[in-house]
Amino acid sequence: AQSVTQLDSQVPVFEEAPVELRCNYSSSVSVYLFWYVQYPNQGLQLLLKYLSGSTLVESINGFEAEFNKSQTSFHLRKPSVHISDTAEYFCAVSLLSGGYNKLIFGAGTRLAVHP
Amino acid sequence: DAMVIQNPRYQVTQFGKPVTLSCSQTLNHNVMYWYQQKSSQAPKLLFHYYDKDFNNEADTPDNFQSRRPNTSFCFLDIRSPGLGDAAMYLCATSRGTDLIGYTFGSGTRLTVV
Repeated sequence: AQSVTQLDSQVPVFEEAPVELRCNYSSSVSVYLFWYVQYPNQGLQLLLKYLSGSTLVESINGFEAEFNKSQTSFHLRKPSVHISDTAEYFCAVSLLSGGYNKLIFGAGTRLAVHP
Repeated sequence: DAMVIQNPRYQVTQFGKPVTLSCSQTLNHNVMYWYQQKSSQAPKLLFHYYDKDFNNEADTPDNFQSRRPNTSFCFLDIRSPGLGDAAMYLCATSRGTDLIGYTFGSGTRLTVV
């Protein structure tokens, strides 16, 4: 069975500092990995995804994640965070089953950026 | 803009009183999902529609039902809400097996009093 573990429930960080949000997955089949961001009282927005090809994927707002098959990880990083990055971040793995795309989410990491 | 819209954003219902949450989409996606997200927890899939075919997750309580009258609309019905059903309910869509990820609505926060 596929599962996702986000190792940190909360990550406090100062503005302009680097940050890494950790995600590990378990799967017996090929995986497709996603990071979603959720702002307070909002739905989830896709931040970036790994489907195939280059193991380093980037988002338009400076986040990047690296797929590491040997370590079964998909950690999210940003070299310099902003106050506006304060949100909940969810790692997810996709399971193709019966013609549809089932996403299994981790428990989330709350990123709190302080001035 | 193509999007997924959930109404209402906030819903207060009485214990045991049936409530319906709605979701509409302009993306023409054939799969629609309902997720339940309790405070500080991961979203949990309740069920989904693949076109008109309804697929229930094994651990979804019978208290939760869904309807999809057409491609654009999907409803979540809670027949007898309990205090434990208070949560954010998220609707999402996808296009079959396309691995583009889901498109989520903004969610409906349900409070049970």
